[in-house]
Amino acid sequence: QKEVEQDPGPLSVPEGAIVSLNCTYSNSAFQYFMWYRQYSRKGPELLMYTYSSGNKEDGRFTAQVDKSSKYISLFIRDSQPSDSATYLCAMRGASGGSYIPTFGRGTSLIVHP
Amino acid sequence: DSGVTQTPKHLITATGQRVTLRCSPRSGDLSVYWYQQSLDQGLQFLIQYYNGEERAKGNILERFSAQQFPDLHSELNLSSLELGDSALYFCASSGRSAARTDTQYFGPGTRLTVL
Repeated sequence: QKEVEQDPGPLSVPEGAIVSLNCTYSNSAFQYFMWYRQYSRKGPELLMYTYSSGNKEDGRFTAQVDKSSKYISLFIRDSQPSDSATYLCAMRGASGGSYIPTFGRGTSLIVHP
Repeated sequence: DSGVTQTPKHLITATGQRVTLRCSPRSGDLSVYWYQQSLDQGLQFLIQYYNGEERAKGNILERFSAQQFPDLHSELNLSSLELGDSALYFCASSGRSAARTDTQYFGPGTRLTVL
């Protein structure tokens, strides 16, 4: 079992839909959780960064962490064609060698007009 | 634009050859990380340098090596290349503390094709 599991998709939605992207993990030492967006042939760019459990909102994006279930989500409201990209979750511990993030394989999102 | 630069953008070479990938971190960042991204393996951490010293090692093959220079740019050397080394190679940089990594900012990547 991989430490971080993420459905590769593709996930295809119409413009304006609410998108839900998810990751599960097995390492209870993970404390910091991140979502990166990667456009085709580009490097990943950080979207959201959260610590421990709870929600964090930034514009149309909401990141949710449920440490008890080892489950994290990224919600995108009013999705746009420009949101079409691969979304990678990443997570890391708080000390020692665990601070190097572990990445999910990414979910490909397609938002069609 | 993340502020991290990587050269070259594309590299095509033959099996058995050696190549060098170059990365310049964001201004002020002391840590550099190298990652390999392939379709079947996703984003795999290779190695981290902090202010010229190796700090963490991931799934880096013995045929691969890296270094970070006094001006903080880093190079990843790949030798005895195999077909399976074809991938995107990303460099990322982060802030001033090696013990507690801040956000990693990724460069645009180098696409390596081994024929």
